[in-house]
Amino acid sequence: GAVVSQHPSRVICKSGTSVKIECRSLDFQATTMFWYRQFPKKSLMLMATSNEGSKATYEQGVEKDKFLINHASLTLSTLTVTSAHPEDSSFYICSAPGQGESGYTFGSGTRLTVV
Amino acid sequence: TQLLEQSPQFLSIQEGENLTVYCNSSSVFSSLQWYRQEPGEGPVLLVTVVTGGEVKKLKRLTFQFGDARKDSSLHITAAQPGDTGLYLCAGARGGTSYGKLTFGQGTILTVHP
Repeated sequence: GAVVSQHPSRVICKSGTSVKIECRSLDFQATTMFWYRQFPKKSLMLMATSNEGSKATYEQGVEKDKFLINHASLTLSTLTVTSAHPEDSSFYICSAPGQGESGYTFGSGTRLTVV
Repeated sequence: TQLLEQSPQFLSIQEGENLTVYCNSSSVFSSLQWYRQEPGEGPVLLVTVVTGGEVKKLKRLTFQFGDARKDSSLHITAAQPGDTGLYLCAGARGGTSYGKLTFGQGTILTVHP
């Protein structure tokens, strides 16, 4: 079945540094990728929609300059958390639509801890 | 604003008990999905319901989509400790294209042996 490979699974970084999270679609092309943020024991909150070859669409309240999204190819979308702060610590998940039984394939998530 | 109201948010029960989780909305969805998520992992699809009034069964899990396609429920019979996890409902809008999913708040289920 369709697989979205998300890396890294865990990352710890210092305040003020930037962290890049990658999501790759394996064996299929993803022209769109959804990026979610999840706090402990909470639901998924959509942050933005990345589109191959065009600018990402951000949800209300999400800082575009803080969370840089790039969808450089049909199989790769990246989320860069810039100048990270402890409050950016969270679980980030990507999802590609149009594949699988549900029509959505999720990555395995990235646990970001900013110290 | 949360468009999908999921309840209850927390559920702690004994092994063997039955439970029901609800997802309600004032909006119509073209499909509704239920996921289960373990800590540190991505959500895993349990079922997709598409037709109003549809009922799907997955072993001890029964899923129902409301006639108006605005609400859904997940019923678990004779819960087991292995059912423990975060359950999420998610609604999709649109026809053939896969648009944004709207997630409910989630239900944390704990089944005690």
